Amino acid sequence: GQQVMQIPQYQHVQEGEDFTTYCNSSTTLSNIQWYKQRPGGHPVFLIQLVKSGEVKKQKRLTFQFGEAKKNSSLHITATQTTDVGTYFCAGRYSNTGKLIFGQGTTLQVKP
Amino acid sequence: DAGVTQSPTHLIKTRGQQVTLRCSPKSGHDTVSWYQQALGQGPQFIFQYYEEEERQRGNFPDRFSGHQFPNYSSELNVNALLLGDSALYLCASSLWGIYEQYFGPGTRLTVT
Repeated sequence: GQQVMQIPQYQHVQEGEDFTTYCNSSTTLSNIQWYKQRPGGHPVFLIQLVKSGEVKKQKRLTFQFGEAKKNSSLHITATQTTDVGTYFCAGRYSNTGKLIFGQGTTLQVKP
Repeated sequence: DAGVTQSPTHLIKTRGQQVTLRCSPKSGHDTVSWYQQALGQGPQFIFQYYEEEERQRGNFPDRFSGHQFPNYSSELNVNALLLGDSALYLCASSLWGIYEQYFGPGTRLTVT
């Protein structure tokens, strides 16, 4: 079935270290979105990737979509305490299809 | 410009009861999706409404039903509540065909 797997489940880093979370699907995605959810909050849209091999940057965040459109990654350079939260990828299998969320990666940053 | 609003914020119900949750989309949005988020899990898609019709549905039983009104607001109804229905229920709005979704703060449902 349509399933999006995300690893790792948890990541603890020292402030200033880098962080990466990975997302994988067994079948080709139409597009993929990334969201951030702070503790006690709701998911907030970060970015959408549509094209094969697409790379987008937002300040210290780099998002990649694989060539086969089956995997994606989010990389944060030099983490800060404000980066704390759970990062979710969410994939679509058709242009108007439902959004399938991964289980999320919870990032803790030690000052 | 008001974002997505949901009511109530918290709700406690007993097994077997019925519940209705409400959502008002972000101004200008015409599509509403509902998600269930259990503790420590990612949001699970319940269904999506556009033009007052259910357009997509996730793997949820018929106990979960919804409605969209002419003003684009939406309701989620859950009948015969089970303990396992305890979760955060999130509403997200968007423009049909535009993929970016804006989530509301959610309704925390506890079934005892």
